[in-house]
Formats: sequence, structure tokens, C-alpha cells
Amino acid sequence: SQKIEQNSEALNIQEGKTATLTCNYTNYSPAYLQWYRQDPGRGPVFLLLIRENEKEKRKERLKVTFDTTLKQSLFHITASQPADSATYLCALLMNTGFQKLVFGTGTRLLVSP
Amino acid sequence: DTGVSQDPRHKITKRGQNVTFRCDPISEHNRLYWYRQTLGQGPEFLTYFQNEAQLEKSRLLSDRFSAERPKGSFSTLEIQRTEQGDSAMYLCASSNLGEPQHFGDGTRLSIL
Repeated sequence: SQKIEQNSEALNIQEGKTATLTCNYTNYSPAYLQWYRQDPGRGPVFLLLIRENEKEKRKERLKVTFDTTLKQSLFHITASQPADSATYLCALLMNTGFQKLVFGTGTRLLVSP
Repeated sequence: DTGVSQDPRHKITKRGQNVTFRCDPISEHNRLYWYRQTLGQGPEFLTYFQNEAQLEKSRLLSDRFSAERPKGSFSTLEIQRTEQGDSAMYLCASSNLGEPQHFGDGTRLSIL
């Protein structure tokens, strides 16, 4: 079965720096890879989607890369702000016909002022 | 568009009781999903509906769990004879084909 690894340790960075989060997966490549943000007690909020034939996607201060050879996605937040503090979930959309999402455990990001 | 709505937000019940949760998806979405999330873990897929048809169920969904989407709009998830291990956040999401899934804020279930 598909296994997704995200750094379980919290990532602490200073405001203004770039945060880089890693998502590694095993077995076959997914159709899409998505990143979600989750705040305590809330549901995941969709941020970015990248397809298997795309190398990079950007949205405002967010950037996602997708390397199907390394089976890895990197998620970058530039000019980070304390409001970016949250848990970030990587999710693979499997090509099963009904779009089942398989999530990693998430990485908690803490941005200090 | 008010997003995906779930009710109740919190449910506390005694072991052995039955509970039912409701999900109202984004109105124009025909696909609806249920996930379960425990502390420190990502959401795990439970089941999927396309319109009113339940097309996929995870092995996590034991026979104590049942989900319905009677008119292809809102959905309910029922857990019978609740057990301690059922304590979790139950999340609902909706989408259309090829679009990202949008999640509600979940129902947090606590079993006493």
C-alpha cells in the first residue's frame, strides 16, 4: 500500500525566512499530489495541487515541487509569517477512479516573530 | 457558497451508544467523502459517494458503521455500539471530478 512520510517533528523558523516541508512517498506515483493546511480543531484547507507531469506550482508565497523520480514533493512558504503557523498535510490522489486521498501525518510549522 | 458543514461539532457519548453525524456538502458537488482523523495522524479514508451511490468503503469501516446519502445531497454517518477506539475527528469532504476536495471542520467524537 502507499506510504507517505512527512517529518513528524515540528519545524521552527523565524518570521521572514523560507519554510521548506518535505513529503516522501513509496510505491507507485499518484495522479496528483496536494498540500493542505490544518489548524487545531479545524478541517484541512486546500492549498495547492500539482500533477504528475508538472515540476513546480506557485501561488502567492507558496511553491510546490514534485519529483516523481525521487518520489518527493517539497512545499515552500517564502517570507513566512506567524499566521503561517499550522500543520501542513501532504496528500496523494490515487488513480483509483474515485479520487481517494491518502494523507501523510503532517508537519507542524511554528513561525516565531 | 457556505462550504462544507458538519453537525454536531462535538459529540460526547457513553460506550455502547449509537451516534449519527451529518454532513452538508457544497451544493454543486456530486462527490462526498468521509474520513477519520486521530490525534497526530492525517485523515484516513472511510467511504465515498457519487451522488446517492456509495461506491467505495474502506476496511476501516466495520459493520458497526453505516453511511447514507439518500438524495445525493447531505450525508449521514452512523456508528452503532460505539467503542473507545471510535474516538476521533470525523471529517466530511466534497468535490466534483478533477477538483480538490473541500473539507468541513469535522465532528469530534469522544467515547466515555
